[in-house]
Amino acid sequence: SQKIEQNSEALNIQEGKTATLTCNYTNYSPAYLQWYRQDPGRGPVFLLLIRENEKEKRKERLKVTFDTTLKQSLFHITASQPADSATYLCARPPEPGSARQLTFGSGTQLTVLP
Amino acid sequence: NAGVMQNPRHLVRRRGQEARLRCSPMKGHSHVYWYRQLPEEGLKFMVYLQKENIIDESGMPKERFSAEFPKEGPSILRIQQVVRGDSAAYFCASSPAPSYEQYFGPGTRLTVT
Repeated sequence: SQKIEQNSEALNIQEGKTATLTCNYTNYSPAYLQWYRQDPGRGPVFLLLIRENEKEKRKERLKVTFDTTLKQSLFHITASQPADSATYLCARPPEPGSARQLTFGSGTQLTVLP
Repeated sequence: NAGVMQNPRHLVRRRGQEARLRCSPMKGHSHVYWYRQLPEEGLKFMVYLQKENIIDESGMPKERFSAEFPKEGPSILRIQQVVRGDSAAYFCASSPAPSYEQYFGPGTRLTVT
């Protein structure tokens, strides 16, 4: 089965630094990867989608990369702020050509310390 | 434009009762997904529906669980004869098309006593 793993369960960084979260997948490269943010007691909120033919994508202070050789996506938050503290989830479609559902990683809980 | 709505937000049921969870997708979205999130675990896909059709229910337990998305009205996730292990947060998401990002509702937290 296609797996997706987020290496760190928790990550603490100092305000102003760049947070880097890792997402690794197994077997075939998915057509795209998605990143979501989830706050306690709330549903996930979509942040970015990156397709396999895109090396990098940016949105304000967020940057996502997609390395099909390493089978890895990195999610960066630059100039981090305490308000960025949340759990970040990566997600992929489970099968070639399947866009019907997402398989989520277990998430990385980011804490930005003031 | 209202987001995905789910109700109730919290639901308490005794073992053996039925739980009905409702989801209204975003306006213009015809694709609905249900996920379950157990404490300290990730989101697990349960079922994907379009209007009046179940497209993929590979993540849903074969017994006691059912889902529908009628022509009119919200999508319903129904759990019959609930057990303590059903206690979880149930999230609904919608999208305008299968390969697009999904928009999640606030979830229904089910507690089985």
